[in-house]
Amino acid sequence: ETGVTQSPTHLIKTRGQQVTLRCSSQSGHNTVSWYQQALGQGPQFIFQYYREEENGRGNFPPRFSGLQFPNYSSELNVNALELDDSALYLCASSWGGGSLGEQYFGPGTRLTVT
Amino acid sequence: AQRVTQPEKLLSVFKGAPVELKCNYSYSGSPELFWYVQYSRQRLQLLLRHISRESIKGFTADLNKGETSFHLKKPFAQEEDSAMYYCALWVTNAGKSTFGDGTTLTVKP
Repeated sequence: ETGVTQSPTHLIKTRGQQVTLRCSSQSGHNTVSWYQQALGQGPQFIFQYYREEENGRGNFPPRFSGLQFPNYSSELNVNALELDDSALYLCASSWGGGSLGEQYFGPGTRLTVT
Repeated sequence: AQRVTQPEKLLSVFKGAPVELKCNYSYSGSPELFWYVQYSRQRLQLLLRHISRESIKGFTADLNKGETSFHLKKPFAQEEDSAMYYCALWVTNAGKSTFGDGTTLTVKP
């Protein structure tokens, strides 16, 4: 059984660019949630995917989009990057959508926008 | 909109003393409440959830709907309890989650 992995670990982008972050869920899990965590703050919920469908969404603009694949891995895409998008992006996998469930978090991707 | 407030950013207690980490939420319905913990250099992990009504590592949390609170308690703190603690809420019919900004607990020897 493997844990949740995220790639890349660190990323530096320029304002206006686009970025794709990846998350491999824990074996047996079918739900992935994405979070943005700014320095000194708690994780902010971006959205959740359950069995390849978006299952819930936080207060993030449409330029934040995602995908979940048949193997339940997931991508977070952010278009037209802004300086305020600089943060740690966490994904978490669990079983059974519609709740936080027992989530297992990845180590995060640190995104810096300059 | 739902909100989670953890009024203390930092909390320091001595080993063996009782500890209470406060969590207040605003939501008119029946949310699911959770506590997550992040130890130094480790990933965020679930500590406990209110529907389980269980005690994990000596911690308990009771949902008080009247006061809209979900405080985390432990009667005798241990040094290994030093960590960042986050309270979180999930609203099923909205498909939304909200985390507090966390409390850093330090247990001194």
